Amino acid sequence: GDSVTQMEGPVTLSEEAFLTINCTYTATGYPSLFWYVQYPGEGLQLLLKATKADDKGSNKGFEATYRKETTSFHLEKGSVQVSDSAVYFCALSETTGGFKTIFGAGTRLFVKA
Amino acid sequence: DTGVSQDPRHKITKRGQNVTFRCDPISEHNRLYWYRQTLGQGPEFLTYFQNEAQLEKSRLLSDRFSAERPKGSFSTLEIQRTEQGDSAMYLCASSLGSYSNQPQHFGDGTRLSIL
Repeated sequence: GDSVTQMEGPVTLSEEAFLTINCTYTATGYPSLFWYVQYPGEGLQLLLKATKADDKGSNKGFEATYRKETTSFHLEKGSVQVSDSAVYFCALSETTGGFKTIFGAGTRLFVKA
Repeated sequence: DTGVSQDPRHKITKRGQNVTFRCDPISEHNRLYWYRQTLGQGPEFLTYFQNEAQLEKSRLLSDRFSAERPKGSFSTLEIQRTEQGDSAMYLCASSLGSYSNQPQHFGDGTRLSIL
């Protein structure tokens, strides 16, 4: 079945450092890809999405490009802030049936001042 | 848009008891999903509804679990004869439409603790 694999955490960075969180997927068809974020004490929120190959999703300074050839959707940010500390989940939405979302295990990010 | 609402936020119960959770989706959303999330893991799909019809159930959903969505509005998830392994965060999500590119909107979840 479809699956998502993302880099294990925690990732600890200093403020203004560059962030990359790797995500790869296996899927039949052409799924839509998402990054969700979970801030401490809050629910899952959509961060960005991409729906077809070579699409770039972006939001709040975060970016991710849908790479079909490498089945990847890596999350990047040029300069992280303390407020970016959270758990980040890579996910795909199946293209058939109920379009249920398959999540990776999550990567916890700590940003130090 | 008042968001997806879940109740209760936290449920503590003894092993063997029955529990029921409620989810109120965003009002115009026709699809509703239930997920389970354990510590250090991403959410795992349990079941989903399109309007009032339950169209798919995961193998994770044993016979002790049942979900309903009467009239295609709110949904309930019931767990009978709870076990220690049922301790988890139960998440509800909703979305609009019939395409995979529609993101799901999540509630804050119900945390179940089995004593």
